Formats: sequence, C-alpha cells, structure tokens
Amino acid sequence: DQQVKQNSPSLSVQEGRISILNCDYTNSMFDYFLWYKKYPAEGPTFLISISSIKDKNEDGRFTVFLNKSAKHLSLHIVPSQPGDSAVYFCAASVRGAQKLVFGQGTRLTINP
Amino acid sequence: DVKVTQSSRYLVKRTGEKVFLECVQDMDHENMFWYRQDPGLGLRLIYFSYDVKMKEKGDIPEGYSVSREKKERFSLILESASTNQTSMYLCASSSPGQGNHEQYFGPGTRLTVT
Repeated sequence: DQQVKQNSPSLSVQEGRISILNCDYTNSMFDYFLWYKKYPAEGPTFLISISSIKDKNEDGRFTVFLNKSAKHLSLHIVPSQPGDSAVYFCAASVRGAQKLVFGQGTRLTINP
Repeated sequence: DVKVTQSSRYLVKRTGEKVFLECVQDMDHENMFWYRQDPGLGLRLIYFSYDVKMKEKGDIPEGYSVSREKKERFSLILESASTNQTSMYLCASSSPGQGNHEQYFGPGTRLTVT
C-alpha cells in the first residue's frame, strides 16, 4: 500500500517559470511532510518541510502547500533555475514515529 | 555540519557473495536507517535502528540483516547477494529531537550483483 504517491514521474519546465511538484497521501496520522532533492550519484538533501498544523511554508524560492482535506501537498519553485534539475521526493512521518515514508519521486528538468 | 559517510560509492559483487555496506555518522544521532532506491519505486526502508544493538525491520527486510555495535556505525549485510539486490543503497541518520524528523543522507552505494 503506497501511503505517499507522486503520480508524475517527470516534469519539464522552462527556466524562469514556476515548477509545481505534487504529492498525495493516504494516512491521516502523518504529522510532518518533507521534500528532498536528489542529484544523480548523490544522497538526497533536505529542502523544506511543513507541519500538519500549517498550510504553507516558504523558504526563498521554495514554497510548500498542504491541503489536509484533500490529503495533498505541493512544492512550488519560482523562478526555476537549471540547477533545480533533479529528482524530488516527497516524504511523510507519522506522529510519534521516527521513520519517513517516501513517494516514488518526480524528475524535474529545467530547460534553458 | 552533519556528515554521513558510506564505505563505497560503487561495488560489484557476484551472486552468492556476502556483502557488507558500512555507514558512519558524526553527529551522535540515535537513529540510523538503510534504504534502497530503485527507479519508479522511490526510497524503500530496509532496516532501521533507534539505538546501539537495537534494530527493527522496515518495509523490505528480506535478504538483508543489519548490525549496530556502536552508535555512529550501522552496517547492512547481504547474506547471499542476488541479482535482484542490484540497487542504490542509501544510509541516513536523524535525531529524535529533530521536530520535523529530518534525516541526513550519505552519498549512496551503487551495488551491482552479477
């Protein structure tokens, strides 16, 4: 049972435009949601997170939106830059647990 | 600055060999994790550990075992490597005090079993 789903395997965006990556989840016990970025042959690096008690968190060019009623979150990158080309993973943690549950990942390509 | 290191970046082993993957973290984190990453499947948890000598199965523990004799070191063992264990293996660590449960990852080991 895939509790965290990223239904778009890939996304291509023009440099300077907005990139929107989506993630859906099924477990209402998730209390934190995180986004990680991964370059080839490197480990994932933490990008931004959001608590389930919030609906938006912003950090520079990155904003994460959480819609709990729809069990949906999205990552907005604006403006998109060539260095943003990577695989992005959505992850979630259950209240009281230390584990993360990851989505399948979305490969973002920023075109010049 | 948290550093998680993994013993090898690339490894090629033969079917049936015993394989050891080592992970070391330098931030005194209690929690350590082993994942494998496969295209289209994301990161799947193999085993994790909340403390020395403690281990718990993740989602796909079959064919793997782990060892945590020291707080900073977490080893993943493939008792008898098989071709379906060809994958990218990622180690991570975290602290229970980290409110958002952020995990810090190593660079990964690309294992090929032939």
